[in-house]
Amino acid sequence: DIQMTQSPSSLSASVGDRVTITCRASEDISSFLSWYQHKVGKAPKLLIHGASTLQSGVPSRFSGSGSGTDFTLTIGSLQPEDFATYYCQQSYSSPPTFGQGTKVEI
Amino acid sequence: QVQLVQSGTEVKKPGSSVKVACTVSGDTFTNYAISWVRQAPGQGLEYMGGIMPISGRANYGQKFQGTVTITADRSTSTAYLELRSLTSEDTAVYYCARDGGWLQPRYYFDSWGQGTLVTVSS
Repeated sequence: DIQMTQSPSSLSASVGDRVTITCRASEDISSFLSWYQHKVGKAPKLLIHGASTLQSGVPSRFSGSGSGTDFTLTIGSLQPEDFATYYCQQSYSSPPTFGQGTKVEI
Repeated sequence: QVQLVQSGTEVKKPGSSVKVACTVSGDTFTNYAISWVRQAPGQGLEYMGGIMPISGRANYGQKFQGTVTITADRSTSTAYLELRSLTSEDTAVYYCARDGGWLQPRYYFDSWGQGTLVTVSS
């Protein structure tokens, strides 16, 4: 299985900050990379697929970049509702695998 | 707007089985794969397997082969996850999720159910 490693595991930030989360794949996954936001007690929410394609309805402050093995999720200006755990996930080969998550805290 | 609604919380004894349901509304059930993802306490997300309702063909993560069965009932637009021989390590929240690919799985998930907590305890 392809291993996905996120960094950092957690971070503290303030409203208005620019936040960057990194995801590294154990092998080349081209652009088959998605990002999800997960809040406690809620369903995960797809933010980005294809490494950089913003899912319909997701605010434009979220952006994704990268290809191959290294990827980045950027939140341009952190809002109160963005405090959550973020996961990357590869869809290059089965089984799809997730990173361990990055918790964004106040 | 597609909606996935899952069945409620389950408490089971070790060695027993459980079947979790996921009913899809708001879009054509047969055209998108449904996958199951679990989150154990304090852990991240883990893919278990999925099914393409139009064909009934299911696939499973290697870890779950033999202990998990995923089925789909097209007449009720419902996918099911059955877990057998439960142990305490199966205690988790189980999510169903709709695949983002039309007719062909692309293995990213654009809509999710609300989650079903399964607790395994003697």
